[in-house]
Amino acid sequence: AQSVTQLDSQVPVFEEAPVELRCNYSSSVSVYLFWYVQYPNQGLQLLLKYLSGSTLVESINGFEAEFNKSQTSFHLRKPSVHISDTAEYFCAVSGLPGGSRLTFGEGTQLTVNP
Amino acid sequence: DAGITQSPRHKVTETGTPVTLRCHQTENHRYMYWYRQDPGHGLRLIHYSYGVKDTDKGEVSDGYSVSRSKTEDFLLTLESATSSQTSVYFCATGSGAGGTGELFFGEGSRLTVL
Repeated sequence: AQSVTQLDSQVPVFEEAPVELRCNYSSSVSVYLFWYVQYPNQGLQLLLKYLSGSTLVESINGFEAEFNKSQTSFHLRKPSVHISDTAEYFCAVSGLPGGSRLTFGEGTQLTVNP
Repeated sequence: DAGITQSPRHKVTETGTPVTLRCHQTENHRYMYWYRQDPGHGLRLIHYSYGVKDTDKGEVSDGYSVSRSKTEDFLLTLESATSSQTSVYFCATGSGAGGTGELFFGEGSRLTVL
């Protein structure tokens, strides 16, 4: 069985400040980790993923996440946030890389204030 | 973006009535999923399909059934709706094992059971 815990349900920050959204997972097998983002009244879309290789993965809009096997974590970071980053962020884990059952965390609402 | 459309997008119904939500995809993805999203619970898997007429239960399948008679369509049925099934329902698709692990989501169907 696998599970995901997102440690913060809400994270308010000011524009241009750094942010970290925390995610811990548990799994009995090798894992594949994902961050999805959900903007208001929309479905989820993939932000970044870790399947293998480098433990640091990046998205096209400046987010990065680091897979830490010893701490079973996959925290999401951005050095300087924008108003447009306001959204809900979901961490997810899978035991297989493709077309498998993702287990999602409860979500973290990131609110960027001017 | 994967072409995933959900219908209806909004529905209000009464306790005890049957409800069917439809998910239609144009990407020829093998895997299709139904999730429900509730505050404080993130996304929870209801049922999924790994091929035509091949389906399996997720973690919150009680009170729901699914059918997949064609690759492109995945139906979720509530045989007798209850107030606890008030939620936002998301359909997702994935290309399957060997893929990138990315799921593509529809825009959601908001169901209110009075």
